[in-house]
Amino acid sequence: QSALTQPRSVSGSPGQSVTISCTGTSSDVGGYNYVSWYQQHPGKAPKLMIYDVSKRPSGVPDRFSGSKSGNTASLTISGLQAEDEADYYCCSYAGSHTWVFGGGTKLTVL
Amino acid sequence: EVQLVESGGGLVQPGGSLRLSCAASGFTFSSYSMNWVRQAPGKGLEWVSSISSSSTYIYYADSLKGRFTISRDNAKNSLYLQMNSLRAEDTALYYCVAYSSSSSAFDIWGQGTMVTVSS
Repeated sequence: QSALTQPRSVSGSPGQSVTISCTGTSSDVGGYNYVSWYQQHPGKAPKLMIYDVSKRPSGVPDRFSGSKSGNTASLTISGLQAEDEADYYCCSYAGSHTWVFGGGTKLTVL
Repeated sequence: EVQLVESGGGLVQPGGSLRLSCAASGFTFSSYSMNWVRQAPGKGLEWVSSISSSSTYIYYADSLKGRFTISRDNAKNSLYLQMNSLRAEDTALYYCVAYSSSSSAFDIWGQGTMVTVSS
């Protein structure tokens, strides 16, 4: 159960788009369409932003989108806003009823 | 209001034990699979354990090596985590999390309870 690989940090200016990658293996990301993304502001609990690779829970802006290709999933945030600055974590089902998270990516809005 | 409230964290010596609790409200607790997810200070999230809605199925992260036990009481809308033989590396904020089968994701999160293992 090795953690999924995410970039430590990404940044973008307001209005721009950024993409955060999440790389796993064929035993997790590549093997199942159960990838989810979580947003975590400092001192707060994580919040579900994307589930089943590309679906958005109600209330999440459509600026947030998810995709997957092979063993790599991606979260794209378009039209960056100041409140998007946070840590983002990907998560994947890893088989045998276990789950694995990514190491997290700090998004800075310049 | 949908809510998960953890309690039971604190400072414990290496080798000691602690029991975490999580009280659920505002949703049908007995219909959800429940989980514990932890976050070491300044680090990422780590899935710890899950228990099915009726306690039939229980799973743990390999790294725990039998030291933790998850349980639930649907009559009390409560989730528990018994932690034994605690190590410094178990120091973390422990989140109680509800898993939604409709979204295949961790849908509802508590605010966490801090466990510090230190002499």
